[in-house]
Formats: sequence, structure tokens, C-alpha cells
Amino acid sequence: ETGVTQSPTHLIKTRGQQVTLRCSSQSGHNTVSWYQQALGQGPQFIFQYYREEENGRGNFPPRFSGLQFPNYSSELNVNALELDDSALYLCASSAGTADEQYFGPGTRLTVT
Amino acid sequence: AQSVAQPEDQVNVAEGNPLTVKCTYSVSGNPYLFWYVQYPNRGLQFLLKYITGDNLVKGSYGFEAEFNKSQTSFHLKKPSALVSDSALYFCAVRDLNFNKFYFGSGTKLNVKP
Repeated sequence: ETGVTQSPTHLIKTRGQQVTLRCSSQSGHNTVSWYQQALGQGPQFIFQYYREEENGRGNFPPRFSGLQFPNYSSELNVNALELDDSALYLCASSAGTADEQYFGPGTRLTVT
Repeated sequence: AQSVAQPEDQVNVAEGNPLTVKCTYSVSGNPYLFWYVQYPNRGLQFLLKYITGDNLVKGSYGFEAEFNKSQTSFHLKKPSALVSDSALYFCAVRDLNFNKFYFGSGTKLNVKP
């Protein structure tokens, strides 16, 4: 059974640029959630996708957007990057929208 | 505002002693409750969850958690701590009304030999 994978591992971008992060869900999981984790803090919920539709969103501006594909993999897109977007971005998949989540290792984004 | 609180940044306990990591929440309705653990250089791992039923739920590695609806708490417990339990623990809540998740800020558990 393949776990949740994320790419890339690390990324450095300049303020104002756009970034796309990718996530492959665990086999058999149809739900993907994205989180932002700043250093020393707990994960902050960005949004969740269930069967290719957004199914819940946290307090993040519209420049944070996502997609889920028919194979349930997912992308997180962030436009107009700001310095405060520097964080670890976590993807988690689950068998249902309220089930326990299985996390990937994360993508470390640095905005300079 | 909806939130999850872990009042202790760090908990220190001697190996073999019982441990408790505290969590309280402020979420409307009947939320789903979770505990996750993060070992150094590893991703977040699911420990246990409460959805409904018995207030004491059992999870992985001998951990259990007690749900208290009147106190809106979901404390993590283990009868006898191991040095290998040393890690960062996160409490999480699923708000079913608004389809959102909330995580606490984490509690670092140190188990000393």
C-alpha cells in the first residue's frame, strides 16, 4: 500500500510569484485535505476536496486554490506569494470526509 | 470562534509513570475528535478518534483518550509511559457543521528514563 506522497520536498520562490504543490493520496482514499503549518504551530486547515469538489475551506484568501483529479491526486496553488506564506504545506488523504487522515511528509515553501 | 486548545507546551514524565496530554475544544455541535503524533523527522500519524459511543477510546501504541462533553475536553492518556513515546502530540477537531478541521498548537511529550 502506497502512502501519501508530496512533491516537491522543498521550494524557494520570490514574493509575487505563483506556486503549485502536488499530492498523491493513499490508495483507496477519495478525500484530500491541505494544511499550512508554520514553525512551532499546529497545522492550519486550508481546504478539503472530496471527489473533485471543494468540501470545506478554512480562513485562507482566494489566492489559495486547489484541484482534485479523477485519480484523487490533488494540487494546491498559491498566487501572489507573500513572505508569510513561508511554511510547511501538508497534504492528508482519508477514506471519507470525516475519517482519520493520513499525512504526507510535506513541502517546505520558502518565500523571499 | 471555533478553536482547539492544548494548554501545555510541554509535558515531562518519567518512564513507567502514567501520562496525560490535555486538550479542550470550542466547536459547535457534536464534533469528531482526533489525536495525532509527530515523531522527529516524520510526518503526522493518526493515534485515535472519537465519533460517538463510549467516552473512553483506545488507539495505537497503548494510548487512550477520554471524551468529556460537559467540559469539552478530549485528554490523551497512557497508563505507563515509554521513552519511545517522546514526540509532539496534536489534538484535532472536525467541525461537521462547517466542514472544517482545527488543530491544537501541539504538546511536546518528554519521557525520561
